[in-house]
Amino acid sequence: LAKTTQPISMDSYEGQEVNITCSHNNIATNDYITWYQQFPSQGPRFIIQGYKTKVTNEVASLFIPADRKSSTLSLPRVSLSDTAVYYCLVGLFHNNNDMRFGAGTRLTVKP
Amino acid sequence: GAGVSQSPSNKVTEKGKDVELRCDPISGHTALYWYRQRLGQGLEFLIYFQGNSAPDKSGLPSDRFSAERTGESVSTLTIQRTQQEDSAVYLCASSLAGGQPLHFGNGTRLTVT
Repeated sequence: LAKTTQPISMDSYEGQEVNITCSHNNIATNDYITWYQQFPSQGPRFIIQGYKTKVTNEVASLFIPADRKSSTLSLPRVSLSDTAVYYCLVGLFHNNNDMRFGAGTRLTVKP
Repeated sequence: GAGVSQSPSNKVTEKGKDVELRCDPISGHTALYWYRQRLGQGLEFLIYFQGNSAPDKSGLPSDRFSAERTGESVSTLTIQRTQQEDSAVYLCASSLAGGQPLHFGNGTRLTVT
């Protein structure tokens, strides 16, 4: 299982773009990269998933370089409500696998 | 549609007592995961069920912890002889046929006094 490394915390201000990078040097060929968001007193919520290059949805973008040893979650124009913990998870999509989370990045958005 | 449901949402118990935590996954989801999250910490994997396969119990911290799942439905996490260090939020997640994305419940907050 690929281990992930993320910054422990980040601060930003409303309206700014936030980029959170996750390192996964030993990612396997078939592994997908998924990001989750967790608010206090709630379970994590799926944000975005990708395999390579760039993926974009209504919430975020995910940038994955060619070597796939890292990935960057990009949140455009954050608001106070984006204050949460963000987890990067690397694992197999179609096979049975346990999903082990890293420590996550605590993002604090300030007014 | 209905999401992952966990009960109870809060549980306070005395040290040494046994507790059972319940998880109702999303209908049709064959994979089910249990995690533990201590205050201010990340998610700690406990156990994984996939269909009728033998569960992956590699994350269970001690033999006081056990879990069962009936087919592809309800799962119960049991903690025997609870200790204060068992205090945490226990999260359940399910997904289609293993893998991602995971759908989480809001957890059971366990407090051992």
